[in-house]
Amino acid sequence: DTGVSQNPRHKITKRGQNVTFRCDPISEHNRLYWYRQTLGQGPEFLTYFQNEAQLEKSRLLSDRFSAERPKGSFSTLEIQRTEQGDSAMYLCASTLSGADGYTFGSGTRLTVV
Amino acid sequence: TQLLEQSPQFLSIQEGENLTVYCNSSSVFSSLQWYRQEPGEGPVLLVTVVTGGEVKKLKRLTFQFGDARKDSSLHITAAQPGDTGLYLCAGDFTGGFKTIFGAGTRLFVKA
Repeated sequence: DTGVSQNPRHKITKRGQNVTFRCDPISEHNRLYWYRQTLGQGPEFLTYFQNEAQLEKSRLLSDRFSAERPKGSFSTLEIQRTEQGDSAMYLCASTLSGADGYTFGSGTRLTVV
Repeated sequence: TQLLEQSPQFLSIQEGENLTVYCNSSSVFSSLQWYRQEPGEGPVLLVTVVTGGEVKKLKRLTFQFGDARKDSSLHITAAQPGDTGLYLCAGDFTGGFKTIFGAGTRLFVKA
């Protein structure tokens, strides 16, 4: 078990470009979460998958954000037409049962210039 | 809106000192977790508490869950520089799928 893997670790992009991040959860975990964290803040919920179904999406997530989890394995998070305010650490976490806590990946740090 | 408040926001202490950080909410948690996060990394789970009044120990760390399940504390005995990091509390609420995080307490332990 290699834990939760996120790629890339860092991404610098120009405003207006599209970016896609990937998360590979722990294989037996059926729940997968995306969070966003800005400097000085705790992680902020973005979206949640149970297997391949996206069951909840934050109201903070604009239409420019989309996430998928085909076949209930890895997940991707895409941001279209990036804005400077999208600059943050994007964290992926997985769990078998949410009450047991999450295993987080190392995150993808996005910088929009 | 379910919010978690953590205090203090920042704490700088000398090696060997004891400290306590707090997590409070106006809502009842179904379960609560504490995480530690280092710069540039994801949070790492330290403990999960579920039962009101529960106390769990992890080496020099003692976690307590309030009787009413609305608050929690983390006590560190004889802090070491390796304890430096961001301590996050996170709560699950009945009927919810997601875990809500506090803003964290940033701890710096000086050698």
